[in-house]
Order: sequence, then C-alpha cells, then structure tokens
Amino acid sequence: NAGVMQNPRHLVRRRGQEARLRCSPMKGHSHVYWYRQLPEEGLKFMVYLQKENIIDESGMPKERFSAEFPKEGPSILRIQQVVRGDSAAYFCASSPLRGNIQYFGAGTRLSVL
Amino acid sequence: DQQVKQNSPSLSVQEGRISILNCDYTNSMFDYFLWYKKYPAEGPTFLISISSIKDKNEDGRFTVFLNKSAKHLSLHIVPSQPGDSAVYFCAASAGAGGTSYGKLTFGQGTILTVHP
Repeated sequence: NAGVMQNPRHLVRRRGQEARLRCSPMKGHSHVYWYRQLPEEGLKFMVYLQKENIIDESGMPKERFSAEFPKEGPSILRIQQVVRGDSAAYFCASSPLRGNIQYFGAGTRLSVL
Repeated sequence: DQQVKQNSPSLSVQEGRISILNCDYTNSMFDYFLWYKKYPAEGPTFLISISSIKDKNEDGRFTVFLNKSAKHLSLHIVPSQPGDSAVYFCAASAGAGGTSYGKLTFGQGTILTVHP
C-alpha cells in the first residue's frame, strides 16, 4: 500500500512563472490537505479538499494560489506568477475520513529564483 | 495567533533516558491531538494521537499525556534512542462542531537530539 506520493520533490521556478505541485493520496483516502512550511517554522494549513470539492480554503492566499482534486487523477496545488516569498516546502496529506489521522507525503521543495 | 505552541526549540537527552516534549494550546475547541516526527527533507510521520476524552495514550516507547484544564500535552519517549533524533511537532484538530474541523494546527516543532 503506497503512501502519499508527491511530485516533483524539488521544483525551481523563476519569478513570474507558474508552479504546479501534484499529490496522489494513499489508496482508499478521499480527503486531501495541503500545508506549507517556511524555513524555521511549523507547518501551516492551506486547503482541504475532498473529491471534486474544496471543503476549507481558509489558509490559502487569496491571489495566485488555487487547488483542485478532480474525480480522476492527483490533487494539484497551483501557484501562478511565483514570487521569492513562495519558496517553501509544500506538504500534502491524506486521510480516509474527516478528522482522522493525516498521513503526509515527502513534500515538494519550491525554490523561486 | 499561535494556537499551538512548543516553547522549547530544542532538547538534548542521553540515550536510554526519558525524553519529554511539551505542547500548549489555546483553542478550547481542539479535541484531538497528534504528535508527528520529521526528519530533514522528509514529510512528517505520524507517531501517536489522543482524543480529549482520554488523559493518556501509550504505544510502545511513546506515551502522550493530555491535561485539558491546563491545555497542555506532553510526549514521553522511554527509553530514548539515537534514532529518535528528529524534529517533533504537536498538532491539534477541532471537532465536528467547529468550522476548522478536519485541518491540523501545528506547533513550531522541537528538535530532539539523543546522544549515544
């Protein structure tokens, strides 16, 4: 039973480009969460999705950031027109039920030049 | 607004001794608490959790204690091993009655170093 898979592991973008981060949840999990970790800080919640629905996006910046979890395929976190401040580790987690233990992927480290 | 706080940035312990990591929270809606362990360049790994209806949960060398009146929880690792050296995060989740149901709120983490 594979764990949560994130790709790419490392992503380098220049300012103004788009970044697309992918997350495949564990088998049987329909709840996906995205978190961001800035250097020397804890993980901060961004968005919570269930298949085809955004449940809670209270932690998502209002502009440039979007997330989806389509019926088929992985969840995508999309950052448009990246800026240096977007450089961080982005972690995806999944759970079988809401309010359950969340299992994390290895993360995508985004570097904006 | 730091709702979950880990006030000790680091902890150093001798192999075989007890490690005690502490966590405080302010949001009284939190009713489920988890501890994660994280190695560099990896994602957090779930260790142990506790519901607010309990005050203690044990799993092998790991025990979590919850003091609801003090809004405090702690993770005890006995005996500590060098392989336990990592960053430890506590996290909290609110129940179904709250608008934040489902998401985890993390502390800043404590770096544990276990010396041989």
